[in-house]
Amino acid sequence: EDKVVQSPLSLVVHEGDTVTLNCSYEVTNFRSLLWYKQEKKAPTFLFMLTSSGIEKKSGRLSSILDKKELFSILNITATQTGDSAIYLCAVQTDSNYQLIWGAGTKLIIKP
Amino acid sequence: DSGVTQTPKHLITATGQRVTLRCSPRSGDLSVYWYQQSLDQGLQFLIQYYNGEERAKGNILERFSAQQFPDLHSELNLSSLELGDSALYFCASSVGVYPHYTFGSGTRLTVV
Repeated sequence: EDKVVQSPLSLVVHEGDTVTLNCSYEVTNFRSLLWYKQEKKAPTFLFMLTSSGIEKKSGRLSSILDKKELFSILNITATQTGDSAIYLCAVQTDSNYQLIWGAGTKLIIKP
Repeated sequence: DSGVTQTPKHLITATGQRVTLRCSPRSGDLSVYWYQQSLDQGLQFLIQYYNGEERAKGNILERFSAQQFPDLHSELNLSSLELGDSALYFCASSVGVYPHYTFGSGTRLTVV
């Protein structure tokens, strides 16, 4: 059965810290991996990764995929209170194009 | 505003009742997806429509049904509601099978 596992499930850090969120997957026919940020309501898209070893970057956030070891990491540097959210990882497969979602990492940034 | 509109934002109803949740996708998007998010289960895919046709089904209960209309808006019907159906119901849309979904702000359903 296809599955996506995120770790840690929750994380509390102080403003200015750097955090690394993990997403590992076991799926057949991997197509892409996506990261979303969910604050109060709707998840918002962050990154989509399809190729191994190529870093996607947006400001203080970056993500990289390792297709050999079947995982991705999301890094956030110089964290701010506004980064507090649930970070969701999802994997799309070639089988039916649906997204398989991880349970999310709840990140809390303390001032 | 993401461009995906969901109504109502909140809904409180009694067990055994039936409700309809509505979603208008982002302009130009042909695919609509429905998700359920509860505290203990994360995001669960329910069903996808593409240009009016059902494309894929996930963990959707038989008490639930959906459809996508010619103007591409979609409705999710939940019947014989149980306490365990209390959750956030999200609609998302995309142009095609491209996975970069845009989510609506959700409907919070509380069954009492």
